[in-house]
Amino acid sequence: AQSVTQPDIHITVSEGASLELRCNYSYGATPYLFWYVQSPGQGLQLLLKYFSGDTLVQGIKGFEAEFKRSQSSFNLRKPSVHWSDAAEYFCAVGGGTDKLIFGTGTRLQVFP
Amino acid sequence: GAVVSQHPSRVICKSGTSVKIECRSLDFQATTMFWYRQFPKQSLMLMATSNEGSKATYEQGVEKDKFLINHASLTLSTLTVTSAHPEDSSFYICSADPPGTSYNEQFFGPGTRLTVL
Repeated sequence: AQSVTQPDIHITVSEGASLELRCNYSYGATPYLFWYVQSPGQGLQLLLKYFSGDTLVQGIKGFEAEFKRSQSSFNLRKPSVHWSDAAEYFCAVGGGTDKLIFGTGTRLQVFP
Repeated sequence: GAVVSQHPSRVICKSGTSVKIECRSLDFQATTMFWYRQFPKQSLMLMATSNEGSKATYEQGVEKDKFLINHASLTLSTLTVTSAHPEDSSFYICSADPPGTSYNEQFFGPGTRLTVL
């Protein structure tokens, strides 16, 4: 069965520090993978996606993610976090249907 | 990029009343839209897939008589919470999959906060 695991419920970093949010998935075939960001009381904004090709994907706002098939992972990274990056981050996987399966989310807190 | 809107953004209603939430695709036509529910500090759970011109497909455990979905046109889907109760209070988010985009690339609305008193 499809599933997405985000092991970190809450992460706190200092502004300017690097960031890595973990995402592991379970899927029978090559997955379509997504990272979304949600600010409080808002909908979801797509940061980046992976369908095929280059396993290092660049997204908006300076984010990138790397697809590692051997580890079933799609971790999100940013070299230098800004205070405005504080939000909830969701990893999602899709595949043979139109459904997206979301992880439980990671709340990012940024200290000045 | 594709824009999806929702109305209202926030609604408070009394227990037993019905509430309608609209989801519109502003700059594209969407034959399929999706309705999600999000509890506080939790992930999004797909409730149903709304199909233009046909019946919605509900996920297991979602009461179709309670959450009525109508996809009347290629730009509008509505979710009606009938006889709402406090346990229906939640954040409801819709999304749409524009034609011509990569598979499963959904664009999300800003969400509707429903509070049932």
